[in-house]
Order: sequence, then C-alpha cells, then structure tokens
Amino acid sequence: DIVMTQSPDSLAVSLGERATINCKSRQSVLYNSNSKNYLAWYQQKPGQPPKVLIYWASTRESGVPDRFSGSGSGTDFTLTISSLQAEDVAVYYCQQYFTTPPTFGQGTKLDIK
Amino acid sequence: QVQLEESGPGLVKPSQTLSLTCAVSGGSISSGSYYWSWLRQPAGKGLEWIGRIHARTSPIYNPSLESRVTISIDTSKNQFSLELSSVTAADTAVYYCARGRIVPTAMSGVVGWFDPWGQGTLVTVSS
Repeated sequence: DIVMTQSPDSLAVSLGERATINCKSRQSVLYNSNSKNYLAWYQQKPGQPPKVLIYWASTRESGVPDRFSGSGSGTDFTLTISSLQAEDVAVYYCQQYFTTPPTFGQGTKLDIK
Repeated sequence: QVQLEESGPGLVKPSQTLSLTCAVSGGSISSGSYYWSWLRQPAGKGLEWIGRIHARTSPIYNPSLESRVTISIDTSKNQFSLELSSVTAADTAVYYCARGRIVPTAMSGVVGWFDPWGQGTLVTVSS
C-alpha cells in the first residue's frame, strides 16, 4: 500500500489568511504515460461525508471556490486555501489513486485562530 | 444528479456478518464509467477503502479485508451491497458507499477519486 502522510495534524489560521496543508506519498503517484498525478483532496465537515475538492492534484471540482488550489508532483503535494473563510473549518484528507488499494492521509484538522 | 443512500442494521453482534446496501438514484449503476465502492471511517479516525465493484467486472477488495468481504451488485434494483463476516469491535465505524471514477493506469481496475458519497451509516459491533 502507498502510505500517505499529511502535515500538520492540525492547523489554526486567522480568517482571511492563507492555510497550507501538505501531503507526502511514500512512492511517486505520477503516471509518466499521461503526466498526471493521481492525487485528490477532500473536505469533511462534522457529521458529513467527505467532499472532493481537487483531483489530478490540481484540478478543482466544479462548484469548489477558487480560493482552494492544489499543487505538487511526484511525492509532495499541497492544498492551499488562499483566504480562509469560516465555512472552511473542517478536516482535510489527501488520497492517492495510483494503485489499489486507494489510500488516504490521516487528515488535517483546520480551525479558526 | 446521482445520489447514494446506505441502509442496514446499525448493530451487529461479534462474529456475525455485517450486511449493508447502497441504493443509487439519479443515474444507472450500469454506467461503464464508474466503479462503486464501500469505505469506512471509525469514530474520530481516517478513511479506509473496503472494495469496489463494476457492473461488468469482478469486484476488487482491500487486501487487508479481502478474506472477510463480499461486494455484490444488483443492476435490476440499481443497488450494490457489502457483506463483512466475522466482525469484531474493530469493525465499528461509519460505513460509506461512494462512486469512483475509472482512471487510466498501468494496473487495471484502479478506482480514482470518490464523488458522490452517501451520508454514511454507523454500524456498531457489540453483544
């Protein structure tokens, strides 16, 4: 299995400030045949299922605000929220889908400072 | 838009079999573009993929659970199901069903990102 490790485990950011969450995979999730990184980001609010924000490491899902962006390649990835809003308080997960089984990071809890 | 809804007993006794069903509405489960998956999340913990099925191919399971898991599909009812045998307290979790993209990879049958998800159903294993 590909182990996914997120940092930090928790994060508190002031409203309007930038939030950055990192995700590292133990092996590359870049598929050389199509130059795509097989990585997604999810947001999970209390009592709700995860919601996909980003796939292919940097493609924003339809309807997701443009303050959310994904970057990185190979083994190191970042989810950035450019200007934190109150509704962004949640746990964020990365997921690789390069191999079976798909695996998730342990999650990063984002709060307001 | 496609919606998924899990159903099944919320309490299962140790050593018994957990059985859940996921009803799909707003789209056909026979669509060739997607896999249908089960995932779970113990309280306060992370996400674990259990397995996936497609209308026209055999299911694939997480090796960590493969000996105890069966996922089946009923295209006539537009639903798919999960059975997990010999459950213990460690199987207590919120169980989700989700649709997953088919993605091009060197390995066949890999499921991509998951969207949408059902709301989830809590299954407690206790006597």
